[in-house]
Amino acid sequence: AQKITQTQPGMFVQEKEAVTLDCTYDTSDQSYGLFWYKQPSSGEMIFLIYQGSYDEQNATEGRYSLNFQKARKSANLVISASQLGDSAMYFCAMSGISNFGNEKLTFGTGTRLTIIP
Amino acid sequence: DTAVSQTPKYLVTQMGNDKSIKCEQNLGHDTMYWYKQDSKKFLKIMFSYNNKELIINETVPNRFSPKSPDKAHLNLHINSLELGDSAVYFCASSQLERGGQETQYFGPGTRLLVL
Repeated sequence: AQKITQTQPGMFVQEKEAVTLDCTYDTSDQSYGLFWYKQPSSGEMIFLIYQGSYDEQNATEGRYSLNFQKARKSANLVISASQLGDSAMYFCAMSGISNFGNEKLTFGTGTRLTIIP
Repeated sequence: DTAVSQTPKYLVTQMGNDKSIKCEQNLGHDTMYWYKQDSKKFLKIMFSYNNKELIINETVPNRFSPKSPDKAHLNLHINSLELGDSAVYFCASSQLERGGQETQYFGPGTRLLVL
């Protein structure tokens, strides 16, 4: 079974500063994927970034980067130059493989990020 | 051009009623999912369908019955609604990509309130 832990229920960050959202995971799978989703107050779930367990380089997507440390089983999200629009809930998730090869996502409990002007 | 759409967006109903939530994706994906997000924002998988076949059923009460008429649609029917069913229900879809990535794209959610 997979488990995702997000230890920061809430964070307050000054606008334009960088922010790191923590995520640790536990799995016995050799192959897995790690995802970050953003959920603004409007409620939709927005895919941000993906890291495969065999990817040697950390994933980057614009201002988002994923600090993947496989030995520590951590997949922290780094947002550079934070903006007011970054205020939202952020979920770390891991893909598991079912018997038929299709993946389900196991989510962490989320971190509520608030950007202060 | 909405990728994953759900209807209705809001659903308020009485305990004991039967209701359905519809989901459609125009991404050409083979796999669709239903997730439930509770009042504490915790998201959990309920069902997964691949090409109209049930793949994942995560110990959900049998009052919940998913139906997939074709691979672009996955509807969720709930019988005898209970107070504890109040939540946000998300539909998602995915397709295995080159390199092994299979990203799930979510619909806007349906906010169900059972009175």
